[in-house]
Amino acid sequence: AQSVAQPEDQVNVAEGNPLTVKCTYSVSGNPYLFWYVQYPNRGLQFLLKYITGDNLVKGSYGFEAEFNKSQTSFHLKKPSALVSDSALYFCAVTPQRGATNKLIFGTGTLLAVQP
Amino acid sequence: DTAVSQTPKYLVTQMGNDKSIKCEQNLGHDTMYWYKQDSKKFLKIMFSYNNKELIINETVPNRFSPKSPDKAHLNLHINSLELGDSAVYFCASSRGTEAFFGQGTRLTVV
Repeated sequence: AQSVAQPEDQVNVAEGNPLTVKCTYSVSGNPYLFWYVQYPNRGLQFLLKYITGDNLVKGSYGFEAEFNKSQTSFHLKKPSALVSDSALYFCAVTPQRGATNKLIFGTGTLLAVQP
Repeated sequence: DTAVSQTPKYLVTQMGNDKSIKCEQNLGHDTMYWYKQDSKKFLKIMFSYNNKELIINETVPNRFSPKSPDKAHLNLHINSLELGDSAVYFCASSRGTEAFFGQGTRLTVV
């Protein structure tokens, strides 16, 4: 079955420290990979995507993610966390390249950045 | 300019009622979607339309009926609302890779 796993319900990090939000996927073929962020009572905002090419992709607000095909992972990272980064983060994949009509989401990871 | 807009933002209604949620996108995208986010924040696709044609219809009760009058609009009509329909419903659109989401409609069935 196609799925996306975010093993941590919550990640706590002190402001200024690096952060990592983990994501692994189980999808056949070579899917597109995404990260979205949801602030309280808001919609989802696109952060970044991996389509092809360099395994390290950079996105909005200083976030980046590293695609690792052998580990089927796409972890989200930021070198220095801000309190304003506190939000709910979703990893998502499309089942196959070009089939952008469907996103499979992970269960979300709540990032809490303490001042 | 709001790229993907949904109305209403909040909707409280009684069981058994029929209600609609409207969605409009001004991005010129060909594909639109409805997603449901449950109380545990889990997101799942419900429907997808491409150029006004239904592409994806996940295992959603037939009480839910999407309608796309044109490429820029995808409305969601729900008949005979049940308590379990309470959730946040997100509209989205895309052309190519990433999808752009609306702000969501929080539906509460009492």
